Amino acid sequence: QVQLQESGPGLVKPSETLSLTCSVSGDSINTDQYYWSWIRQTPGKGLQWLGNIYNSGSTNYNPSLAGQVRILIDTSKNQFSLRMTSMTAADTAVYHCARAVRIATKRGYFQDWGQGTLVSVSS
Amino acid sequence: SYELPQPPSVSLSPGQTARITCSGDALSNQAASWYQQRPGQAPLLVIYKDTERPSGIPERFSGSRSGTTVTLTISGVLAEDEGDYYCQSTDSLYNWVFGGGTKLTVL
Repeated sequence: QVQLQESGPGLVKPSETLSLTCSVSGDSINTDQYYWSWIRQTPGKGLQWLGNIYNSGSTNYNPSLAGQVRILIDTSKNQFSLRMTSMTAADTAVYHCARAVRIATKRGYFQDWGQGTLVSVSS
Repeated sequence: SYELPQPPSVSLSPGQTARITCSGDALSNQAASWYQQRPGQAPLLVIYKDTERPSGIPERFSGSRSGTTVTLTISGVLAEDEGDYYCQSTDSLYNWVFGGGTKLTVL
């Protein structure tokens, strides 16, 4: 049974860069079957996909975030990470990492989720 | 606004059948999935590829499609089915999109 666990700061200041890591256990991250994803949920609101990464390092990002997001993968540590620059109060949210089943190139669904970590943006 | 509109809420009594719809251009030729989110918990996949149910998900959960509308049906809802339900698909530009979510209340 795969498990995903997010880690990182719970508080960042406006304009700073957020760095989160997702540690994967119970399965190898170096597989062609899955994408590795970040999704966030603002308080009391819905889900927003941030982006995916494949084991090859190829990425696919939500265009509405206009270059704010970068996702990296480290197969040697069985981890992947999220970097978000220029954080504002509007980026306060619960950030989830997830494993997505690849059903076609750049298409799939989220099979397994981490519990999520709350990130607040405040000075 | 969300690319995959969903009704904001559905309320019914235990034993009734809940039907939650999700529609949009992104669904024109791409499969949809559905997620249940209970308060304070991570989302849980309940339907994928429009109609497939993951192992461990009760049979009362089913999915269907008619054109660009997909429907999650919960037959004989239980109190434990309360929560938010989200549809998800990918659009023509490979963006992964969620519906706005539907709050299911079991009275």
